[in-house]
Parts: sequence; C-alpha cells; structure tokens
Amino acid sequence: EVQLLESGGGLVQPGGSLRLSCVASGFTFDSYAMIWVRQAPGKGLEWVSGISGSGVGTYYADSVKGRFTTSRDNSKNTLYLEMSSLRAEDTAVYYCARESGVSGTYYFDYWGQGSLVTVSS
Amino acid sequence: SYVLTQPPSVSVAPGKTARITCGGNNIGGKSVNWYHQKPGRAPVLVIYYNSDRPSGIPERFSGSNSGNTAILTISRVEAGDEADYFCQVWDTSGDHPVIFGGGTKLTVL
Repeated sequence: EVQLLESGGGLVQPGGSLRLSCVASGFTFDSYAMIWVRQAPGKGLEWVSGISGSGVGTYYADSVKGRFTTSRDNSKNTLYLEMSSLRAEDTAVYYCARESGVSGTYYFDYWGQGSLVTVSS
Repeated sequence: SYVLTQPPSVSVAPGKTARITCGGNNIGGKSVNWYHQKPGRAPVLVIYYNSDRPSGIPERFSGSNSGNTAILTISRVEAGDEADYFCQVWDTSGDHPVIFGGGTKLTVL
C-alpha cells in the first residue's frame, strides 16, 4: 500500500524557518517525481515545488523561489521542504504528492495527510 | 500563465447527475485530471487522462474534455459525494507547470 506520511509543521514567526518531511512507503521511491502543494485556509490548491526522481531537477513557484528548497534522500525514502524567510502568506496546509503519468500529462495519484504551517508572531 | 475556471458551487439532489465544468483556452488539447477533497482531508484523484478512473473510484464518476471545457460528471449522486472538486492540467507555457482550477463545492441537497 502506497503511503506518504508528513511531519514537521507548526507555528513559526515571520522570517523564521521550518522543514517539512514526507516519508514514502509502498513503492519504489526514486522512480517517481514528487511535488509539494499548499492550501491556505479556505482557499484552493497551489503548486509549490517539484523534484525529479533522482533529485537532480527541482522546480519552484515564483511565490517561493529563493526561499524554499525541495530535496530528497532516496536512501531514506524521504522528501523534504526547507522553508525560510517565512511570511504570513505562507500559512497553509502543505501536502506532498506522488507524480505519475507521462510527459505533459502528469497527475498526482497519492497524497500525504497534510502538515499545517502557521506563520504568525 | 494558463488559467482554469470552475464555478464556485454546484448543487444537486441525491440520485441526480452533477456536472462540474473546468474551462480553459483550448483545454481539449490538454490532459485534465480531477480531485475531490473533503473537509480536513487530503485531495483524492478521481479522474486522470480526461476520463480514466483510478482503482477504487466508482463508475459513477466520469470525465470528458473538448474545446474549451472539461467536465466531471457524477451520476446517481450520493450524500458522500459532497466535497470540493478541483481540476488540474500540466502546462509548460507559463512560469509553473502545475495548474489547478479554483475548485467547485458540490452540495448534495
């Protein structure tokens, strides 16, 4: 059974940092690209970042570029999102998800349970 | 960047058919995926590649895509189908490749 288990969320002050983790099981982790998606309270889904299966390729939304870093440790089946210079508008539930499909038609077939990040003084 | 437009809400009586639209410029040329999300839960994939269903998703869920509109159709709607529904495409023409629609709240009357 495919599972994605997230951890690391919490309350952080503006300008602070936080690291989210997403531990995968039930599939060959390094064969899949992964993404982070966030959802601000009462809002829709926003793609944040993506990373290739090898970890060589990383991609970011303009809203987080230069502040967030996505990485993975394939030996530990774990995906990370390092967040720094956090702002109030980064407050959201953050989801990791597995990317499937062929080039140009990707979809996200398994999602973590979500991790709440609250940026407030 | 590419924009997907969904109605904020759709209401339907139990046993009837719900249709949720997702509009985008020439969306018929793209592959559309649909997710539902219940309060406090993670999104769940219900349709991929316009009309394919993942295992475990009832046949009552179907999708179509043509022209400027993709449609998620839910037949014989049940109370448990009440959720937010999001469409999604992959588009490399803009600054980020993953595009979600704004979401539609399906209310079962």
